[in-house]
Amino acid sequence: GIQVEQSPPDLILQEGANSTLRCNFSDSVNNLQWFHQNPWGQLINLFYIPSGTKQNGRLSATTVATERYSLLYISSSQTTDSGVYFCAGLNYGQNFVFGPGTRLSVLP
Amino acid sequence: ETGVTQTPRHLVMGMTNKKSLKCEQHLGHNAMYWYKQSAKKPLELMFVYSLEERVENNSVPSRFSPECPNSSHLFLHLHTLQPEDSALYLCASSPGSREEQYFGPGTRLTVT
Repeated sequence: GIQVEQSPPDLILQEGANSTLRCNFSDSVNNLQWFHQNPWGQLINLFYIPSGTKQNGRLSATTVATERYSLLYISSSQTTDSGVYFCAGLNYGQNFVFGPGTRLSVLP
Repeated sequence: ETGVTQTPRHLVMGMTNKKSLKCEQHLGHNAMYWYKQSAKKPLELMFVYSLEERVENNSVPSRFSPECPNSSHLFLHLHTLQPEDSALYLCASSPGSREEQYFGPGTRLTVT
């Protein structure tokens, strides 16, 4: 199966700052999701984005499938954005493989 | 979100106990999944059930036994677990196999 890397592993921001999280894949993917895991463990869907760019409020995501990466942008970060961000991808015939996550802490 | 529910939310069990985790989805989906999330490890897919297939991760020990009586319910039966099985167990569903997944809140399991 594919290998998924995420960077950075940890990120500390001041409230109001912007950030970019990256997800790299060892092979091409035809489906990709971004999640936010809150402190209680709930995984919240952010984007389902096999390719292209999507925006939802302060968050946006871009996937360049041909170059095997996806980016998650967080603008004007808030303390409620804290948690762990996961990307998960799958390629043909496989099931979703999750990355190790980026732990984000937004300080007031 | 109430689309995917899991019970119990917390479970403490001894190594000789038998217990079951329950997952129910109210989204009309046709695929359901069990994942294990251990500390400092990525989510690990354990089982997949869908109209098209049943997939088992070969590395999952036989002390974990899934059951999917219909497309809305998924169980994970546990017996003679080990302390290293302590983890967050997450259930997910998707419209079809390998499509966008929606997760439940998880069951935090502690094996003593």
